[in-house]
Amino acid sequence: ETGVTQSPTHLIKTRGQQVTLRCSSQSGHNTVSWYQQALGQGPQFIFQYYREEENGRGNFPPRFSGLQFPNYSSELNVNALELDDSALYLCASSPSAGALEYGYTFGSGTRLTVV
Amino acid sequence: DAKTTQPNSMESNEEEPVHLPCNHSTISGTDYIHWYRQLPSQGPEYVIHGLTSNVNNRMASLAIAEDRKSSTLILHRATLRDAAVYYCILRDVGTYKYIFGTGTRLKVLA
Repeated sequence: ETGVTQSPTHLIKTRGQQVTLRCSSQSGHNTVSWYQQALGQGPQFIFQYYREEENGRGNFPPRFSGLQFPNYSSELNVNALELDDSALYLCASSPSAGALEYGYTFGSGTRLTVV
Repeated sequence: DAKTTQPNSMESNEEEPVHLPCNHSTISGTDYIHWYRQLPSQGPEYVIHGLTSNVNNRMASLAIAEDRKSSTLILHRATLRDAAVYYCILRDVGTYKYIFGTGTRLKVLA
């Protein structure tokens, strides 16, 4: 089975620009979560999508938005980029949104640098 | 959200068992204990999870204290490939998110 794939792997953007990050979930998984990981810190939850609907959100401003498509792949969009948005962005998928008997499969992330 | 406390770093010799502790004194009855690890330049990797009973899988064992206020991840024979940051996380049945701390950085010595 394939895992979670994210693209691109690295990205450099200028402050004020917009960026779209992409994630293909593991086969059979209908739930996708996004996390932001600053250097030296643990990942922070941004939001989660289940069957194309957002069903949970962390403490991130509205300029962080997302989509989930019918094939359960997902996008993370960030508008008006700020220097502090520089981080590793992780996508994780799961077979079911609320079932605690499953863990999440994480991708290797997209490293975003804002200059 | 319930929090966990882990040592910042630990060292182990290769081929020896490793016991990674986690304190979660404010755990509620519906919190599951999840462990993930993150190798350099990779996303977190699921290791194991449990609720009340000890759990074993091919990667590790999870020992949960009777009062559930602490748990220990056990790697039975550490290898160099086990060098990673290990995260202990509580996950409640009512929420979908993981709240990661800074984890324990495990160094394995050859």
